[in-house]
Amino acid sequence: GDQVEQSPSALSLHEGTGSALRCNFTTTMRAVQWFRKNSRGSLINLFYLASGTKENGRLKSAFDSKERYSTLHIRDAQLEDSGTYFCAAEAAGNTGKLIFGLGTTLQVQP
Amino acid sequence: DTTVKQNPRYKLARVGKPVNLICSQTMNHDTMYWYQKKPNQAPKLLLFYYDKILNREADTFEKFQSSRPNNSFCSLYIGSAGLEYSAMYLCASSRVLLGGRFEQYFGPGTRLTVL
Repeated sequence: GDQVEQSPSALSLHEGTGSALRCNFTTTMRAVQWFRKNSRGSLINLFYLASGTKENGRLKSAFDSKERYSTLHIRDAQLEDSGTYFCAAEAAGNTGKLIFGLGTTLQVQP
Repeated sequence: DTTVKQNPRYKLARVGKPVNLICSQTMNHDTMYWYQKKPNQAPKLLLFYYDKILNREADTFEKFQSSRPNNSFCSLYIGSAGLEYSAMYLCASSRVLLGGRFEQYFGPGTRLTVL
């Protein structure tokens, strides 16, 4: 079935540095969402993309449906960025069904 | 307000007993979803309501029921809980956007433990 491969599974950054998370899709997806799980366990919406790129503060995301991937770039990482990030792709069809990656656990260190 | 609420946050159930989980949203979203998440696994879609139409995933078709008495509320019902139902249950809602896109907003989840 449709799959979302998210990498890396874990990432450690020093404050002020940056990196990218990536999700590869086994099939063509219509859109992608990126979430961050907060301290209470809730999924917080970061981005929704049907194409192109979006930027919000120190976060930037890109989605290429044809090439079957999406990325989430974090720059100037801060301690409060630590947490688990999920991508979820919207499968083809008209259901809005999301297929999740397994998540990336980010640890930002001083 | 993009809040999706779930009750209860934690639920303890006995094997063989029924379980009913509640979700609500006040965003007038036309679609509400239920996902199941187990440790070290990705959230998995169980079913969703588009307006009053229920759609259940093929591999969970017989295990879960749901009702949506009005636009704001949606329940997830397990008739006879088994140990394998222990998981986090996430509710989400969305509204069809221009072009048929569906940005989903998630609730905090209900952690169900079956003993």
